[in-house]
Amino acid sequence: DAKTTQPNSMESNEEEPVHLPCNHSTISGTDYIHWYRQLPSQGPEYVIHGLTSNVNNRMASLAIAEDRKSSTLILHRATLRDAAVYYCILRDGDTGNQFYFGTGTSLTVIP
Amino acid sequence: NAGVTQTPKFQVLKTGQSMTLQCAQDMNHNSMYWYRQDPGMGLRLIYYSASEGTTDKGEVPNGYNVSRLNKREFSLRLESAAPSQTSVYFCASSEVPRGRTQYFGPGTRLLVL
Repeated sequence: DAKTTQPNSMESNEEEPVHLPCNHSTISGTDYIHWYRQLPSQGPEYVIHGLTSNVNNRMASLAIAEDRKSSTLILHRATLRDAAVYYCILRDGDTGNQFYFGTGTSLTVIP
Repeated sequence: NAGVTQTPKFQVLKTGQSMTLQCAQDMNHNSMYWYRQDPGMGLRLIYYSASEGTTDKGEVPNGYNVSRLNKREFSLRLESAAPSQTSVYFCASSEVPRGRTQYFGPGTRLLVL
């Protein structure tokens, strides 16, 4: 599975939008882009995933670049409960039983 | 539904001792996974079970064994614990192999002295 690159940390003010970037320049055509987040002292939880098109759900939006070499997770209105480590993961849609977690981006939300 | 449950929540072992970490899911999922997370690091896959009766090695299997006891339960055994196995262990499950969403348990914190 291809690797991803994320900033180590980001800060956001409460109630403002947050854009979390992820680079995946070696992505292949069958790789899905997944985002998970891990709140303090908890297991990771699913946020969103996509293949080529932008995706929206109740938690967030995922914007995927046209060449698929990067993506951005968008939290439309950050709350204190969104403070977590966000992981961008690539998974091969044909063969990928495994998720490869990097070190993620630690998001701090400032009241 | 409880989702994915793990026992124990916390354990202290001495070097050389053995123990089994238990995991159960009540979502009727076919696939289950064991990960470890070292301080400041992301999760790394130890073993997974794509379906009942099958197990496969992940990224870091050395020093561990697993048993898929039935569809609900997937255990991780440390035969002779080492300080390098001090970590937080997470169990996860997904509906199908290569499932798009994995559901994680709350974790077991293991300290090996």
